[in-house]
Amino acid sequence: AQKITQTQPGMFVQEKEAVTLDCTYDTSDPSYGLFWYKQPSSGEMIFLIYQGSYDQQNATEGRYSLNFQKARKSANLVISASQLGDSAMYFCAMREQYNFNKFYFGSGTKLNVKP
Amino acid sequence: DAMVIQNPRYQVTQFGKPVTLSCSQTLNHNVMYWYQQKSSQAPKLLFHYYDKDFNNEADTPDNFQSRRPNTSFCFLDIRSPGLGDAAMYLCATSRDRSPSEKLFFGSGTQLSVL
Repeated sequence: AQKITQTQPGMFVQEKEAVTLDCTYDTSDPSYGLFWYKQPSSGEMIFLIYQGSYDQQNATEGRYSLNFQKARKSANLVISASQLGDSAMYFCAMREQYNFNKFYFGSGTKLNVKP
Repeated sequence: DAMVIQNPRYQVTQFGKPVTLSCSQTLNHNVMYWYQQKSSQAPKLLFHYYDKDFNNEADTPDNFQSRRPNTSFCFLDIRSPGLGDAAMYLCATSRDRSPSEKLFFGSGTQLSVL
């Protein structure tokens, strides 16, 4: 089974609008971390936001927030007030306590912000 | 103040000619990773070092080797590159392997095989 599933290969959003990128995960480990990375066309992977499995509050970092629904095993990324520079690939990732060698990535969502 | 540095940014090699990619870090992190990423796909873990302990992924081809001579440096050696090895190679580090530790990535080396 896929550890991380991103069902939106590509998305468009209008500049200044909000957008939600979907991510679901699969684990039986009670302790895990969820991450979102941005990869512009230049190729570098840029860390955006982290959510721990025991965190009660949804994580926020500036315009990025993570909508964490533990029972549904979803960790959607919300980008508010989209900017042209947000156009990039976005990867959801997970790290487990017991399977610590692995950092699982989803297949990514390509976001295009339209002016 | 770059923290994970990969050289070169672009590398062109010939089919079958050995090539080495390098990665250095100024973070003093214990763990270093090598990922292969083909166009529009998720990064694929090749191997990682926890300190000096080498961990190879089961599906990493034997053609790929790695060295970590000290904490700061890690090398990826491709002994006989094939056309299918053309990809972006990403080096990453993390302080340790706990669930809260994020990966810090370098800017990658784009490898072309002619």
